[in-house]
Parts: sequence; structure tokens; C-alpha cells
Amino acid sequence: KQEVTQIPAALSVPEGENLVLNCSFTDSAIYNLQWFRQDPGKGLTSLLLIQSSQREQTSGRLNASLDKSSGRSTLYIAASQPGDSATYLCALGGATNKLIFGTGTLLAVQP
Amino acid sequence: KAGVTQTPRYLIKTRGQQVTLSCSPISGHRSVSWYQQTPGQGLQFLFEYFSETQRNKGNFPGRFSGRQFSNSRSEMNVSTLELGDSALYLCASSLTGTEKAFFGQGTRLTVV
Repeated sequence: KQEVTQIPAALSVPEGENLVLNCSFTDSAIYNLQWFRQDPGKGLTSLLLIQSSQREQTSGRLNASLDKSSGRSTLYIAASQPGDSATYLCALGGATNKLIFGTGTLLAVQP
Repeated sequence: KAGVTQTPRYLIKTRGQQVTLSCSPISGHRSVSWYQQTPGQGLQFLFEYFSETQRNKGNFPGRFSGRQFSNSRSEMNVSTLELGDSALYLCASSLTGTEKAFFGQGTRLTVV
């Protein structure tokens, strides 16, 4: 059974700092990995999707990497801003057309 | 283009009642998935529909059911509501089920 863990559970950083969020999974048989952000009480916004054959994806200040062999993905946020404050979730997509979500990292960027 | 639309946004129901939630996917998307989000269990998969067929189902009791219409719109039904069904219900759509998923704003269900 696939298990997805995100570390840290919560993170507080000053504005402008670069930061890394981690996602670990137990089964490397995945189709893709997605990173989402969720604002309080809202739906999920897709940030990046990495196919299983890819190593990384970039969008603006965000960079996500995938290492299937070690069961890890990281989301790098450069020059963090208060507007980046949210919960960040990684989700694994497999052959069964469902997403298995991690436990989430609550990020607070202090002005 | 319009995003994923879920209605209603908020619902308050009494134990024992039933409820129907609606999800309109992005135009052209044929896969619709439903998830339940609670503080204790996080995001859990309920079921996925593609071209009016349920392809996958999560580990939820039979009180949770769904369907998809020919225009890809989907509904989720929960019968005999329990207090523990209080949650944020999210639906997501994608082209065929393996691409980037787009989520709606969710329906907040409170069972009293």
C-alpha cells in the first residue's frame, strides 16, 4: 500500500528565504507526482506535475524534482513571499486513476 | 476557460438525511474524481468516473455513491448521513485521468 509522508508538517520562514519541502513515498510504481497548494477552506491549486520519466519541472519561482529510486520528491520555492503562505500537498498518480495525497506541509511566510 | 464548479458550496444536514453534491468538470475533461478531506484523515479518494463508468472506488461504505452523466458532469450522493461525514468534499477533473488534475472549490458538508 502506497504511503506518502511530507516533512516538515509545518514551516515558518521570513520573507525572501529560499525553502525546500519534502515528499517521501514507499512505492516507486507511479505514473506521475503532482504538487498542489491549498488555501484555508479552499480547493487545491495544481502547481507542478512531474511525469515518472522526468526528473524535474519548473514554473516561475517553483522547482519540483522527482527521484523514484529513492522514493522522494522536493518542492523548492525561491525568494518566498507572504502570498506563498498555504498548505502544500504532494500527490502520487498511479495506474488506478486516483491520487494518493501526502500529509501536507503548512507554510507561513512572515513579512 | 471555466474551472471546475462544485455546488453547493456549503450544506448543513441532519443525521440520517441524504445529500447530493454536484461537480461540473472543465469542458473536454472526461475524468471526474471525488475526494473527502477531514482534519484527521487528510484527503481520501472516494471514486473516479470516466465516460459515465466508475473505474475506481476508494475504501468508503456503500452509503457513498456517485454517477456521471453524458456531459461528464458528476454527482455524489451520501445516504443516511453520520456525524463523521462532516468534511470538505472535493472533485477534480482531468482529460483522461492521468494528467494534471484540476480541483473545484469544494462543498463543505456539516452534519448535525
